[in-house]
Amino acid sequence: EVQLVESGGGVVRPGGSLRLSCVASGFKLDDFGMSWVRQIPGKGLEWISSSNWNGGNTNYGDSVKGRFTIFRDNAKNALYLQMNSLGVEDTALYHCAREGLFGYFDLWGRGTPITVSS
Amino acid sequence: SFGLTQPPSVSVSPGQTATIPCSGDILGSKYTSWYQQRPGQSPVVIIYQHDIRPSGIPERFSGSTSGNTATLTISGTQPVDEADYYCQAWDINTRVFGGGTRLTVL
Repeated sequence: EVQLVESGGGVVRPGGSLRLSCVASGFKLDDFGMSWVRQIPGKGLEWISSSNWNGGNTNYGDSVKGRFTIFRDNAKNALYLQMNSLGVEDTALYHCAREGLFGYFDLWGRGTPITVSS
Repeated sequence: SFGLTQPPSVSVSPGQTATIPCSGDILGSKYTSWYQQRPGQSPVVIIYQHDIRPSGIPERFSGSTSGNTATLTISGTQPVDEADYYCQAWDINTRVFGGGTRLTVL
């Protein structure tokens, strides 16, 4: 089955760090660009980071630039998001998403929730 | 970066046509996609590259772009179409989502 499964979410104190993982199955990760997209409960979608097929080109949204790092291990068919200096505003459900040609998201994971709270 | 603006809500009667606009500076020069998200579920792409419908998406969904406005049209809206809809645009260094539109079928 073609799917993405995220893990690594949880509760963390402000200023803390977390690393999210996204494991792909049913397809080769290195055939695709990938992104992380988050959603605050009851709110809209926010793109936060993308990586091209080999990690050689990465991009970040303004709200996470300098704090989050996207990277991938194609040999493990896995995408990661290292999140540092977390704040309460980072509380959300984090999805990984596969990118089709010209940047649309054709496959989404179910997401992993992060709560930043003291 | 650029922003995309959608109306927060749209209401339509069953069987009628629903239109959801998405506006943004220079949107016309960027590929636009649309997503449907039902409560408790992940988004699903219903239109990509302005007007292409993925396999399995009903023909009643269509997309168009004119100037700086992209529009999602749902013809013959059904109760099952009640959901949140998001537009999204792609640029080589960024991806941007609209704020989302809650479609109510009543």
